[in-house]
Amino acid sequence: QSVLTQPPSVSGAPGQRVTISCTGSNSNIGVGYHVHWYQHLPGTAPRLLIYGNNNRPSGVPDRFSGSKSGTSASLAITGLQAEDEGVYYCQSYDSKLSGWGFGGGTKLTVL
Amino acid sequence: EVQLLESGGGLVQPGGSLRLSCAASGLTFSSFAMSWVRQAPVRGLEWVSALSAPGTSTYYADSVKGRFTISRDNSKNTLYLEMNSLRAEDTAIYYCAEGPRDDAFHVWGRGTMVTVSS
Repeated sequence: QSVLTQPPSVSGAPGQRVTISCTGSNSNIGVGYHVHWYQHLPGTAPRLLIYGNNNRPSGVPDRFSGSKSGTSASLAITGLQAEDEGVYYCQSYDSKLSGWGFGGGTKLTVL
Repeated sequence: EVQLLESGGGLVQPGGSLRLSCAASGLTFSSFAMSWVRQAPVRGLEWVSALSAPGTSTYYADSVKGRFTISRDNSKNTLYLEMNSLRAEDTAIYYCAEGPRDDAFHVWGRGTMVTVSS
């Protein structure tokens, strides 16, 4: 059972905008711990996309953005491209786990 | 470019042991905390264990506490995970990751597969 809840799947056509939600609780996002997002493409290493709620590491296109409000966070992807197809995970520190928890992952399909 | 290369995975019987290694390059290894994160088949990511930069502080998920031991050799730029009393539910791809740094995992390896089965 993941401490963060994500929708199992989202989809969009090339060029469109999609958002992926991440719902936490008062043991993680709700008490101020930062949210981070990862992209996991088939056959590759997971890649940090967004850290500290809304910061992009060097090399990540500005088509990817993050936001956080209350006990939830969102990842937005604009100008959808075929190579964006993969699984996206949110992650935060959780005080009940005394460790770092991930969402269950959201599979993005580019139609 | 930072690279993390895991090795040591394989097939092991329930109750058996395995030692994973992660060779790091392209970073000042001794300056960074390091972690292991796993992904079971058709499941999401699960943080397993973390180790501070000097190797003095260890952290474990409840699911592996008492069975797994994380360690590092900063002179060899290598992270280890000693896994004992392995169970079928430990079957997963095990990823080495740089972090947590500001609570995020900044660089990941490609993983090594561990299968626990008789």
